[in-house]
Amino acid sequence: EDQVTQSPEALRLQEGESSSLNCSYTVSGLRGLFWYRQDPGKGPEFLFTLYSAGEEKEKERLKATLTKKESFLHITAPKPEDSATYLCAVQAGGFKTIFGAGTRLFVKA
Amino acid sequence: EAGVTQSPTHLIKTRGQQVTLRCSPISGHTSVYWYQQALGLGLQFLLWYDEGEERNRGNFPPRFSGRQFPNYSSELNVNALELEDSALYLCASSPILTSGTGELFFGEGSRLTVL
Repeated sequence: EDQVTQSPEALRLQEGESSSLNCSYTVSGLRGLFWYRQDPGKGPEFLFTLYSAGEEKEKERLKATLTKKESFLHITAPKPEDSATYLCAVQAGGFKTIFGAGTRLFVKA
Repeated sequence: EAGVTQSPTHLIKTRGQQVTLRCSPISGHTSVYWYQQALGLGLQFLLWYDEGEERNRGNFPPRFSGRQFPNYSSELNVNALELEDSALYLCASSPILTSGTGELFFGEGSRLTVL
């Protein structure tokens, strides 16, 4: 069965303290892996798509990487405005997109 | 460019009632996805529509249903509401079958409370 597991569930950082979020997945026929950001009470906002192992994407303080079994979202020198829930999702055959439970990130000034 | 719009934003129903939620996708997107997000939980896939057809369905009972109209807008219907149906219902649109890229663009959601 297709599955996405994110860790940690919650992460508390000081402003400027870099860290990484993990997304491990089990899926047959990966079409793409996606990262989203979700603020409280709002819909998720698309960040990145990764298609193949070894691929990397960057956006401001965020960098996403992909291996054959997991993806990492690296956050460099985070700011309080980076506080949000970060969701990982995979799309397999049938175009169904499955989401992980998310990592809640808190960045303290 | 207008994003995905959903209505209503909030609603309160009682057990046993029926509800209809509406979604308008981004212009040019033919696919609409519906997800349920219960408080503190992840997004659970409900339904995927494209070109008016139901393409895929998640593990939800038949009382969750929907449709897509010729203008690609969509409705999600939930019959015989139960307390555990209380959640944020998110609609997303995607150009997936036209561009091949699978990213989803979400609306702000409809917050349903069942009393």
